[in-house]
Amino acid sequence: GEDVEQSLFLSVREGDSSVINCTYTDSSSTYLYWYKQEPGAGLQLLTYIFSNMDMKQDQRLTVLLNKKDKHLSLRIADTQTGDSAIYFCAESLGGYQKVTFGTGTKLQVIP
Amino acid sequence: DVKVTQSSRYLVKRTGEKVFLECVQDMDHENMFWYRQDPGLGLRLIYFSYDVKMKEKGDIPEGYSVSREKKERFSLILESASTNQTSMYLCASSSGGGDYEQYFGPGTRLTVT
Repeated sequence: GEDVEQSLFLSVREGDSSVINCTYTDSSSTYLYWYKQEPGAGLQLLTYIFSNMDMKQDQRLTVLLNKKDKHLSLRIADTQTGDSAIYFCAESLGGYQKVTFGTGTKLQVIP
Repeated sequence: DVKVTQSSRYLVKRTGEKVFLECVQDMDHENMFWYRQDPGLGLRLIYFSYDVKMKEKGDIPEGYSVSREKKERFSLILESASTNQTSMYLCASSSGGGDYEQYFGPGTRLTVT
């Protein structure tokens, strides 16, 4: 089965960059996602990347994918207090295959 | 704007009770999912459904069942609640296959005493 692993906690100062890392085991995964969960809320899709891409940038967010090492990262530039949340990476084989979520990384932004 | 609603934000039940968690989506999505979220374990899929009256087991279906009689509604049933089912339960829906965005409800925090 698939396992998606993340470190549980990350603390950064406001204005710094945050890098959240994720490793996955299923090399067949076609789609890789980053979801954000704010306190008291459900998850919300932040961004995603296809497995044939190395990088995707969307405003302050940069996603890097290293397929050889099965490593996915999310970089948040100029981190703000509103970025404090739990971030989940997730993978899917596409089609009607289920999405497998990681353990989640809690990002704490210190003012 | 997609909306996924869950019947309760907080629920306290006793061991052995039958518990119903309801989820409704308003975007005519084909797919609906039930997850449980536990600290350090992330989200784990309990059951999912790709169509009315269809259901598939996820990774941790034991102790749970589901019902999908109407497209917009997906119910999670705990036949006989146990303390190890104390958790946050999240419902989600999506319009297509696994490559489509899942929209989540706010969650139900269930405590079984």
